[in-house]
Amino acid sequence: TQLLEQSPQFLSIQEGENLTVYCNSSSVFSSLQWYRQEPGEGPVLLVTVVTGGEVKKLKRLTFQFGDARKDSSLHITAAQTGDTGLYLCAGPKRGQNFVFGPGTRLSVLP
Amino acid sequence: EPEVTQTPSHQVTQMGQEVILRCVPISNHLYFYWYRQILGQKVEFLVSFYNNEISEKSEIFDDQFSVERPDGSNFTLKIRSTKLEDSAMYFCASRDRRSNTEAFFGQGTRLTVV
Repeated sequence: TQLLEQSPQFLSIQEGENLTVYCNSSSVFSSLQWYRQEPGEGPVLLVTVVTGGEVKKLKRLTFQFGDARKDSSLHITAAQTGDTGLYLCAGPKRGQNFVFGPGTRLSVLP
Repeated sequence: EPEVTQTPSHQVTQMGQEVILRCVPISNHLYFYWYRQILGQKVEFLVSFYNNEISEKSEIFDDQFSVERPDGSNFTLKIRSTKLEDSAMYFCASRDRRSNTEAFFGQGTRLTVV
């Protein structure tokens, strides 16, 4: 069974701090996606990582795909209150659908 | 920018009633999905749809659920006889056939069964 785990489950930090959240699996994924979800809304795609060892930057967000394609991390530099939300990783299962991790709920306090 | 749209945004229904949730996927996308998220819980896969038929479904997607693409643009999820535990956010997603990596989600329909 392809499962994704995310850590930490909850994270509360002050504005301006740096943070890293993790997405891990015992299975290899052909790609992993990171989404951000705000309360009452759908997940919004942030990035897709495809190649083992790949690093992608999206402004203050840095995404890394593990060399073995079993894990990924999201690092946020100088967090802002607008970064608050639920960060979800997801990957394509065998077949066509996507499996989601449980998410990391991030609160950035002013 | 193209987006997946869902209607209604919020649906309240009585237990036992039928509901139809509607989705307009991104045009030229060929794979369609329904997911649900019970409040505070994980996003769970329900069903995928390709070439006018279900390609995969989860154990959640029992006989009370059905999907349809009636007119080439809309993609609907029907729940025949709603139960209290069907209360959740339901998300539609679509994917381009050229990519097996990215799915784009709608804003969701919040279904409340009372």
